[in-house]
Amino acid sequence: DGGITQSPKYLFRKEGQNVTLSCEQNLNHDAMYWYRQDPGQGLRLIYYSQIVNDFQKGDIAEGYSVSREKKESFPLTVTSAQKNPTAFYLCASRSPDRGPYEQYFGPGTRLTVT
Amino acid sequence: AQRVTQPEKLLSVFKGAPVELKCNYSYSGSPELFWYVQYSRQRLQLLLRHISRESIKGFTADLNKGETSFHLKKPFAQEEDSAMYYCALGGSQGNLIFGKGTKLSVKP
Repeated sequence: DGGITQSPKYLFRKEGQNVTLSCEQNLNHDAMYWYRQDPGQGLRLIYYSQIVNDFQKGDIAEGYSVSREKKESFPLTVTSAQKNPTAFYLCASRSPDRGPYEQYFGPGTRLTVT
Repeated sequence: AQRVTQPEKLLSVFKGAPVELKCNYSYSGSPELFWYVQYSRQRLQLLLRHISRESIKGFTADLNKGETSFHLKKPFAQEEDSAMYYCALGGSQGNLIFGKGTKLSVKP
């Protein structure tokens, strides 16, 4: 374990507030990903970044924003425009040495918006 | 369309029984398929990949291109196999496309 950290583990916010979820990795991985995990829905890709200062929208990017100013960090902001933000959020990174699809996951952040 | 289907939300078996978790995919091209597992209170982690043709923790999975399937099998289930299992497909943009997952419960 270790290598990818997400903080905090649990996060509570009031509706209408933006909130930023942290994801840090010390694995020297170029690619990083954000997924949303809902019961019965599996994992759905929000945003991903293949390299610093570049990122791409995933399948459910609406209401979210990201930045990638440093290789180690890929924070996700859940904006007030996200209609159903309560979910479990997973960050992942990928080693260039292990093929394009083997991803390493963080422990996750459970966000509750009331 | 690139899609992964796991038809069973929950699979419950007794210890020592065989287990098969089903996965079907839709992909035009040569697919790369994976099984990820999430044990209780642990991180999601890679279990196995089809190109390695490996057996991990007694689990195997064979890619059947004719049936577009990648079912996960184990001949004798153990209680510690209880977990959430996700089938995943390597997408055309270097991303992973996950199925909705199957919760495996192995009863004593």
